[in-house]
Amino acid sequence: TQLLEQSPQFLSIQEGENLTVYCNSSSVFSSLQWYRQEPGEGPVLLVTVVTGGEVKKLKRLTFQFGDARKDSSLHITAAQPGDTGLYLCAGIQGAQKLVFGQGTRLTINP
Amino acid sequence: DVKVTQSSRYLVKRTGEKVFLECVQDMDHENMFWYRQDPGLGLRLIYFSYDVKMKEKGDIPEGYSVSREKKERFSLILESASTNQTSMYLCASSFRGAGTEAFFGQGTRLTVV
Repeated sequence: TQLLEQSPQFLSIQEGENLTVYCNSSSVFSSLQWYRQEPGEGPVLLVTVVTGGEVKKLKRLTFQFGDARKDSSLHITAAQPGDTGLYLCAGIQGAQKLVFGQGTRLTINP
Repeated sequence: DVKVTQSSRYLVKRTGEKVFLECVQDMDHENMFWYRQDPGLGLRLIYFSYDVKMKEKGDIPEGYSVSREKKERFSLILESASTNQTSMYLCASSFRGAGTEAFFGQGTRLTVV
């Protein structure tokens, strides 16, 4: 059983469409992170959200941390083929244990 | 430029062999992590270390051990490799503290035959 559940696991959409990826847990986290991984590479941090209700924007990507700090979402506006990749949410348990969701594999078709 | 280096990109070992995966970071990070990545399962934590000679089990430690004798180096050991340990192994490091960024190596694809 995954501590962090991501949905959907796979998403294939056309260029220009909007999409939202969800990361849910029954546990409270002090912070949640989103990483992106491309083939043959390790994940790279996109954003860290710390405060319940926090919203952060990174160009066309909007990240939200739930009020209760148990869930997060990633919204992409006007998706582009360059957004294709594996998106992973991660949270810290206890002092330093960094755990990940199972990932969302996103494909943007031209 | 920050760097986490894993000793091999690809490795093929036989069942029963003892396997060492090495990871070195040059950022003076306190924390180091070993994950395995399998399709549909995301990154699962095997072991992590928050200081030299300190280690804690992750979610799937069975069949693995680790060693951290120096701050910059974290080794993953498969005591007796089995076919179900065929996977992509990722090492990461970070500073101590909530919400700090984890930096990853490029991964080692291990195949046990």
